[in-house]
Amino acid sequence: SQELEQSPQSLIVQEGKNLTINCTSSKTLYGLYWYKQKYGEGLIFLMMLQKGGEEKSHEKITAKLDEKKQQSSLHITASQPSHAGIYLCGAGDNYGQNFVFGPGTRLSVLP
Amino acid sequence: NAGVTQTPKFQVLKTGQSMTLQCAQDMNHNSMYWYRQDPGMGLRLIYYSASEGTTDKGEVPNGYNVSRLNKREFSLRLESAAPSQTSVYFCASSEAGALKQYFGPGTRLTVT
Repeated sequence: SQELEQSPQSLIVQEGKNLTINCTSSKTLYGLYWYKQKYGEGLIFLMMLQKGGEEKSHEKITAKLDEKKQQSSLHITASQPSHAGIYLCGAGDNYGQNFVFGPGTRLSVLP
Repeated sequence: NAGVTQTPKFQVLKTGQSMTLQCAQDMNHNSMYWYRQDPGMGLRLIYYSASEGTTDKGEVPNGYNVSRLNKREFSLRLESAAPSQTSVYFCASSEAGALKQYFGPGTRLTVT
């Protein structure tokens, strides 16, 4: 079965700093999904990547999928306290049966 | 639209008690999912339903049953709760064949 690893496990940054979170798969990804979870709440979809080399941006968050489709990175530029939360990557086949999540990266942004 | 709703938000059970977690979505999605989230374990799929009338086991189905009552509702039942089932439970839904999932707010369950 597919496994996803994330690094770092947790991250504390000063407001305004840039940061990167990585997600690595044990198998070639059909699609890679990034979600954000605020403490005590449900997950919110951020971005989906499907093509090797694909890059997507939304506001100050950029996600990339490598050419081999086994590694993805999430980059936040000029972090803000509103970026704090848990970031999870997820992946699965086309039918949802084998959908798995990474363990998550806990981000704290100090004002 | 309310999106995905879950009830209850909090629940405390004693070992051996039973209960049903309710989930409903108003986005006309075909697929629905139940996950549990535990510290250090991330989110793990318990059961999923690709469409109305079908359900399939996920990664950790033992101790749970599900019912896809109709297209909107997908319930999760614990027949005999155990302390190991203390967790936060999330329901999610997605369009058929798509994996962009919409999550409910979660149910925090404690089994003593």
